[in-house]
Amino acid sequence: SQKIEQNSEALNIQEGKTATLTCNYTNYSPAYLQWYRQDPGRGPVFLLLIRENEKEKRKERLKVTFDTTLKQSLFHITASQPADSATYLCALDRDTSGTYKYIFGTGTRLKVLA
Amino acid sequence: SQTIHQWPATLVQPVGSPLSLECTVEGTSNPNLYWYRQAAGRGLQLLFYSVGIGQISSEVPQNLSASRPQDRQFILSSKKLLLSDSGFYLCAWGTGDTQYFGPGTRLTVL
Repeated sequence: SQKIEQNSEALNIQEGKTATLTCNYTNYSPAYLQWYRQDPGRGPVFLLLIRENEKEKRKERLKVTFDTTLKQSLFHITASQPADSATYLCALDRDTSGTYKYIFGTGTRLKVLA
Repeated sequence: SQTIHQWPATLVQPVGSPLSLECTVEGTSNPNLYWYRQAAGRGLQLLFYSVGIGQISSEVPQNLSASRPQDRQFILSSKKLLLSDSGFYLCAWGTGDTQYFGPGTRLTVL
């Protein structure tokens, strides 16, 4: 079955450094992959989407890469700030039927230390 | 702009009681609508999705049901809650390859 994995351990980094989060998947070839941010007690907020034919996507301090050979996506936050502390989820589309159903990872909790 | 509402924000219910959670979307037409559950320390689990009024697909067999009586209204229900139904319930809408989530309902079944 399709499986998506994120590092369940929290990631602590110093303010100003680059945070890198990993998302690995198996048994599927998604057309695209998404990244979301979730704060405690809130719903996830969409950040970025990257398609299978794109190697890299950027938005302000965020960068996402997508390696379909390794079946992996990396999510980078440059010049990290304490306000970036949150849980980050990756998700991939489960099928190509047009119903836009997704599988979500369990998320990686990021803590940026001042 | 589009807005998604969910209520109530928190709910504490006894085992065996009924449940009704409501979700409404503003500012868009004919969206795909989704219900997810997020248990503590676990990922988002898709429960139901709908591509139109009266069209509901269930992802996980359980004692929950969903209905879409209007284009922008999605309701999650149960006749008798179980302890295992506790969790954070999220409604989401999408018109393409992106989903937008509501604020969620924290349900505790005692």
